[in-house]
Amino acid sequence: EVQLVESGGGLVQPGGSLRLSCAVSGFSFDNFAMSWVRQAPGKGLEWVSALSAGGGTTYYADSVKGRFTISRDNSKNTLYLQMNSLRAEDTALYYCAKDSQGRVGAINGKGFTYWGQGTLVTVSS
Amino acid sequence: EIVLTQSPGTLSLSPGERATLSCRASQSVSSRYLGWYQQKPGQAPRLLIYGASSRATGIPDRFSGSGSGTEFTLTISRLEPEDFAVYYCQQYGSSPLTFGGGTKVEIK
Repeated sequence: EVQLVESGGGLVQPGGSLRLSCAVSGFSFDNFAMSWVRQAPGKGLEWVSALSAGGGTTYYADSVKGRFTISRDNSKNTLYLQMNSLRAEDTALYYCAKDSQGRVGAINGKGFTYWGQGTLVTVSS
Repeated sequence: EIVLTQSPGTLSLSPGERATLSCRASQSVSSRYLGWYQQKPGQAPRLLIYGASSRATGIPDRFSGSGSGTEFTLTISRLEPEDFAVYYCQQYGSSPLTFGGGTKVEIK
């Protein structure tokens, strides 16, 4: 059974930092690209960042570029999101999601086939 | 950046009725990279359709997708009680990946 479990969320002050983790099981983690997607309270989905299967290619939304860093440890089956210089508008439920292929835009891609349940990040003083 | 605009924002229908949801892209999207997701309150999104028209594993055949270029449609042929939810389209072919703003299908 495929499982994605996010952790690391919490309350942080503006300007602070937080590192999210996504522990996965049930599939060959190092064969698939992974993404972070967030959802502000009562709002829609916003893609944040993606990372290729081998970790060599990263992608970011303009809203987080230069502040967030995505990474993965394939030996630990874990995806990370380091979030720095946090702002109130970063407040959201953060989901990790499994891609169907090893990189963004791969032929035969199917989008995000599995999602975690999310971890809540609140940026407030 | 490819902007996806979904309409209507809310669709009020009764069980058994047909639902037609629209997703319009600001520039042409390859059909192979257009997907639809369903999200119920308190739950993570679930992939329904990929490649504009292919159903994901376990998705009932009352869900169908169509379209090409800049116009895509999700159709639910006969609404079941469990289908009342929010639906999002997504393009996943190029970065930044983008989602539409969502269409809420509510019980009339």
